[in-house]
Amino acid sequence: DAGITQSPRYKITETGRQVTLMCHQTWSHSYMFWYRQDLGHGLRLIYYSAAADITDKGEVPDGYVVSRSKTENFPLTLESATRSQTSVYFCASSELAGVGETQYFGPGTRLLVL
Amino acid sequence: SQKIEQNSEALNIQEGKTATLTCNYTNYSPAYLQWYRQDPGRGPVFLLLIRENEKEKRKERLKVTFDTTLKQSLFHITASQPADSATYLCACNAGNNRKLIWGLGTSLAVNP
Repeated sequence: DAGITQSPRYKITETGRQVTLMCHQTWSHSYMFWYRQDLGHGLRLIYYSAAADITDKGEVPDGYVVSRSKTENFPLTLESATRSQTSVYFCASSELAGVGETQYFGPGTRLLVL
Repeated sequence: SQKIEQNSEALNIQEGKTATLTCNYTNYSPAYLQWYRQDPGRGPVFLLLIRENEKEKRKERLKVTFDTTLKQSLFHITASQPADSATYLCACNAGNNRKLIWGLGTSLAVNP
């Protein structure tokens, strides 16, 4: 049982390039989230999705694009990467919309923008 | 704005002792609070959830308390082991939606 997977696990890119981070979950969870984690800032929500074709902005959405055509996939695209987007990116999912739902995290993607 | 604060300093304790981590929140009243564990190079893993109407929750060697008067949650690990060494994150719901507000985490080191 794979659970929630992210790819690639590590990525080095250059400023201005487009990068897509993939997230796949096998539980059919309704909600999916993208976070970035940086020293001194903790986990910050980039985008989230309540269901296929429903997405919404989080705390730090600028420079990112998401889509969710299928329940199990939630790719995150950096349209034109900047050095400030160097970070560790985590995808997470939760089963239901009720208050108090646990979030399940993927292993993360470490992105370095040169 | 809504804010979660955790001890920024690392906590070092001796094996067998009880570790106590603190999570304080300001400018709102969360309906629930969650604790996660994060190991280096890995994603956070859920440990416990406590709701605003609950004073205490336990799971094996873990105990969480929620004091709405003090606006604080305490996370206890009893009979600590070196394997408990990790960073522990506190998260609260952000108002009525499904988003979470996260603390920066407290690093715990349990020495043999």
